[in-house]
Amino acid sequence: SAVISQKPSRDICQRGTSLTIQCQVDSQVTMMFWYRQQPGQSLTLIATANQGSEATYESGFVIDKFPISRPNLTFSTLTVSNMSPEDSSIYLCSVDADGGETQYFGPGTRLLVL
Amino acid sequence: AQSVAQPEDQVNVAEGNPLTVKCTYSVSGNPYLFWYVQYPNRGLQFLLKYITGDNLVKGSYGFEAEFNKSQTSFHLKKPSALVSDSALYFCAASGAGSYQLTFGKGTKLSVIP
Repeated sequence: SAVISQKPSRDICQRGTSLTIQCQVDSQVTMMFWYRQQPGQSLTLIATANQGSEATYESGFVIDKFPISRPNLTFSTLTVSNMSPEDSSIYLCSVDADGGETQYFGPGTRLLVL
Repeated sequence: AQSVAQPEDQVNVAEGNPLTVKCTYSVSGNPYLFWYVQYPNRGLQFLLKYITGDNLVKGSYGFEAEFNKSQTSFHLKKPSALVSDSALYFCAASGAGSYQLTFGKGTKLSVIP
């Protein structure tokens, strides 16, 4: 398994601003993932972040809106840019472990955009 | 495209009774199947997985799940429910060797004292 932390745990932001969410894992991992969980909904994959390469975004998500950094094997950031109330969600990072068979999740960042 | 269905939005069970949370999947090839639990204001916690081997897999907190290939199901079970099991449960699937997890919509489990 892996121990994953996220900062901030929650935030309230004004529309039009940006928020950067940090994800830290206690061991080196190849792949890190960012998910969005809209209120009352399931999880949707935003992008996959490999160290040393550009993130791979899923359909419906673009780099200008959700830029991602992956500077090393234990850390990643997701920025939610030019926020609107529709961006109010829980944002979760996950990492692959157990030889790549299992994803473990961080505690999430609860974002409210006013 | 792969998909995961959790047909019940909510499951209510009395404390001490057995519980079942249902999940069916559609994945090309051999599936990797997972159950996660989300407590209020918490992230997702991994419960158990099926990769290969014995169809009955055991996980954390006394939970188990049975892989049924013919019915493409992976139902979560526990012989005796606890009030502390009340939470939101997600089933997820991926194709063998793929990192792309597809989640079901979640099932809210309420264990009634």
